[in-house]
Amino acid sequence: KAGVTQTPRYLIKTRGQQVTLSCSPISGHRSVSWYQQTPGQGLQFLFEYFSETQRNKGNFPGRFSGRQFSNSRSEMNVSTLELGDSALYLCASSLVGGNQETQYFGPGTRLLVL
Amino acid sequence: KQEVTQIPAALSVPEGENLVLNCSFTDSAIYNLQWFRQDPGKGLTSLLLIQSSQREQTSGRLNASLDKSSGRSTLYIAASQPGDSATYLCAVVHTGGFKTIFGAGTRLFVKA
Repeated sequence: KAGVTQTPRYLIKTRGQQVTLSCSPISGHRSVSWYQQTPGQGLQFLFEYFSETQRNKGNFPGRFSGRQFSNSRSEMNVSTLELGDSALYLCASSLVGGNQETQYFGPGTRLLVL
Repeated sequence: KQEVTQIPAALSVPEGENLVLNCSFTDSAIYNLQWFRQDPGKGLTSLLLIQSSQREQTSGRLNASLDKSSGRSTLYIAASQPGDSATYLCAVVHTGGFKTIFGAGTRLFVKA
């Protein structure tokens, strides 16, 4: 089975712009979670989607949003980018989620905001 | 509020040594604890998942234990190899909201 894929792998944006990141889960997995990783804050949970519904949400501002499609692929959007949004964004998939089972991570999208 | 702490922050050992990485959490109300490794600039690779009802899990040279009552988990790596060099992260799934909370990680360097 193919693993979790994320596109693009690298991205450079300027402050005020918006960005959309994509995540394709392992075939058959219905849950997708998103995380932000920075040197200062470490890995922080953004949100989880299951069956096209957001099931769980971390403590991030409303500029961070996401959605999931019927094929379980997920996108994450960040509007009005700030310098502090520079980070590695990771997505993880699991069969049914709820964070009760092994999560499989993608390679991440590295976002640099200038 | 659940907090996860990993000690030490960094560790350098000679090849062949057995080592223990520590993870502690403040709230014992967890569903499971998972250990991951992360290579520089890469995503996370799951190593071991321990459900809250379990005491330990083993995979090859790795053994992870869980003591919920004391809020501790250890990852034991036997006969370390240079290929084990990576950052090791532990993560707990808290029952309050099913959120995954990560520790800051232990950066391991195994010298050949």
